[in-house]
Amino acid sequence: QKEVEQDPGPLSVPEGAIVSLNCTYSNSAFQYFMWYRQYSRKGPELLMYTYSSGNKEDGRFTAQVDKSSKYISLFIRDSQPSDSATYLCAMTVIQGAQKLVFGQGTRLTINP
Amino acid sequence: GAVVSQHPSRVICKSGTSVKIECRSLDFQATTMFWYRQFPKKSLMLMATSNEGSKATYEQGVEKDKFLINHASLTLSTLTVTSAHPEDSSFYICSALLAGPVRLAETQYFGPGTRLLVL
Repeated sequence: QKEVEQDPGPLSVPEGAIVSLNCTYSNSAFQYFMWYRQYSRKGPELLMYTYSSGNKEDGRFTAQVDKSSKYISLFIRDSQPSDSATYLCAMTVIQGAQKLVFGQGTRLTINP
Repeated sequence: GAVVSQHPSRVICKSGTSVKIECRSLDFQATTMFWYRQFPKKSLMLMATSNEGSKATYEQGVEKDKFLINHASLTLSTLTVTSAHPEDSSFYICSALLAGPVRLAETQYFGPGTRLLVL
């Protein structure tokens, strides 16, 4: 069983839709959770990070963590064609370790 | 914001040759840099952790003699793929961790990646 599971998609939605991206994990020691956006042939770019269960909002993006279920989500509101990219969840055990474990990534396309 | 560069962005080489990839933190110091490998439609797999002035720590299954890592300064780490073979073809991405009294997970900044094709 992989430590982090993420549906690779592809996921295609119309512009303006709400997008939900999800990851599950098996290691209960994971404490820090991040979402990265990766455009084709580029490096990952940090979108959101959170250390605790609950919701964290930043503009059109909301990160949600449920540690009891070992489940994290990223919601994108009012999706734009420029949001089309691969979204990777990542997590780490302790703050100082910095060894990130990534999900497979979900390829998202927003259709105009 | 913190910028990490990689050079070259793309390289094609013949089987058996060695290829060096550079990773630089342009506007910050990084005591720790990471090297990842990414196959098409797959996630990033950590290859090694590189600390300035010391030997790199390799993940299980990564050949340290094949993937030589040097972190000679606070802004530069290099990955050399020695005697490259077609199966080494991949997208190599580095990241740099902002140096400071508290190392935060969110301050790991990624480079744009290097695409290696071994013929």
